[in-house]
Amino acid sequence: DAKTTQPPSMDCAEGRAANLPCNHSTISGNEYVYWYRQIHSQGPQYIIHGLKNNETNEMASLIITEDRKSSTLILPHATLRDTAVYYCIVSDAGGTSYGKLTFGQGTILTVHP
Amino acid sequence: DTGVSQNPRHKITKRGQNVTFRCDPISEHNRLYWYRQTLGQGPEFLTYFQNEAQLEKSRLLSDRFSAERPKGSFSTLEIQRTEQGDSAMYLCASSMFRGPGTQYFGPGTRLLVL
Repeated sequence: DAKTTQPPSMDCAEGRAANLPCNHSTISGNEYVYWYRQIHSQGPQYIIHGLKNNETNEMASLIITEDRKSSTLILPHATLRDTAVYYCIVSDAGGTSYGKLTFGQGTILTVHP
Repeated sequence: DTGVSQNPRHKITKRGQNVTFRCDPISEHNRLYWYRQTLGQGPEFLTYFQNEAQLEKSRLLSDRFSAERPKGSFSTLEIQRTEQGDSAMYLCASSMFRGPGTQYFGPGTRLLVL
């Protein structure tokens, strides 16, 4: 699976949009971009995933660049409960990896009042 | 709530003892994964089941570790002759056959080996 690069930490004010970047310059054509988050002492939580097109669900939006070498997770109105470690993962979602997820260090997002 | 459950949530054991953890996946999910997470690191893949078949094991899974998923339902992870380096959070996740990258994680079992 392709490697990802994320900033180690970011801050965001409550109520503002949080934009979390991820670089995945070696992504291959059959690999999806997944985002998970992990709130302290809990298991990771699936947020969203995409292949080429931008995606939106009730939690977040995912913007993938046209060349697919980077993406941005957007939390439109961050709350204190969004404080967590956010992981950007590239996986071929089955294929040869069986959906195995390779987690990096992630980005620690701190939402402050 | 019919999410993924794990038991026990916490386990303290002495070095050399055997421990067993249980994971109950979401009922209609036929894929099940075990991960291990140490302090300050992201989760690391250990092993994967499709139904009752164990299809992949990480080299992190030494011969002291064994995992089973009888009848393709719950799974157990056993660690024999525990070592202090086994102290970690052990996470279980499950997914549908289609869309395996969308995994639902349990709360984890935190193991401390003294």
